[in-house]
Amino acid sequence: NAGVTQTPKFQVLKTGQSMTLQCAQDMNHEYMSWYRQDPGMGLRLIHYSVGAGITDQGEVPNGYNVSRSTTEDFPLRLLSAAPSQTSVYFCASSPGKSLYQETQYFGPGTRLLVL
Amino acid sequence: AQSVSQHNHHVILSEAASLELGCNYSYGGTVNLFWYVQYPGQHLQLLLKYFSGDPLVKGIKGFEAEFIKSKFSFNLRKPSVQWSDTAEYFCAVNTRGGGGNKLTFGTGTQLKVEL
Repeated sequence: NAGVTQTPKFQVLKTGQSMTLQCAQDMNHEYMSWYRQDPGMGLRLIHYSVGAGITDQGEVPNGYNVSRSTTEDFPLRLLSAAPSQTSVYFCASSPGKSLYQETQYFGPGTRLLVL
Repeated sequence: AQSVSQHNHHVILSEAASLELGCNYSYGGTVNLFWYVQYPGQHLQLLLKYFSGDPLVKGIKGFEAEFIKSKFSFNLRKPSVQWSDTAEYFCAVNTRGGGGNKLTFGTGTQLKVEL
């Protein structure tokens, strides 16, 4: 199994540009999530999904959209990038339909710089 | 809403020194507690977890953590650190609130072990 994969590894955007961060898992996990990691702030939940067709907001959803059309894929869209979205983005998945008492498996991260 | 505090942001130790990293959470109900670790250049991975039962839990690579309910704490310990333990350590909490679908992370502790 490849586990959780993310592309691209690194991206530079200009303010106002849009882009999609890709996340895929081959473990047939129901739960998937996106976090951003900023210095001194730990990981903060952006959006999550408990199965195909179901998404919900996390702690810091503004400026980001998600969709879950398949079990495997959970893309994160930045509609109009802002410098405040400069961060490292992690995708994660876990087996159950709820994260309660579940271990999460993380991808390698995407480093995004918005100029 | 739950929150997690890690008071040690940077810790520097010599090899063979003992380690204790503090983690306190704020939530009055039942909690599930995790420690995740991010080695340089690697994915976040689970170090250990506590759901119920024996409050002293053992994880990978000789790490252990003790859940003290009265102190709302879940401190991470290792009797003798190695250079390879250099990493960032995150404490996280999950509760039944919101369907149990959110994991709240602390801000992380950067551990550097010197030879």
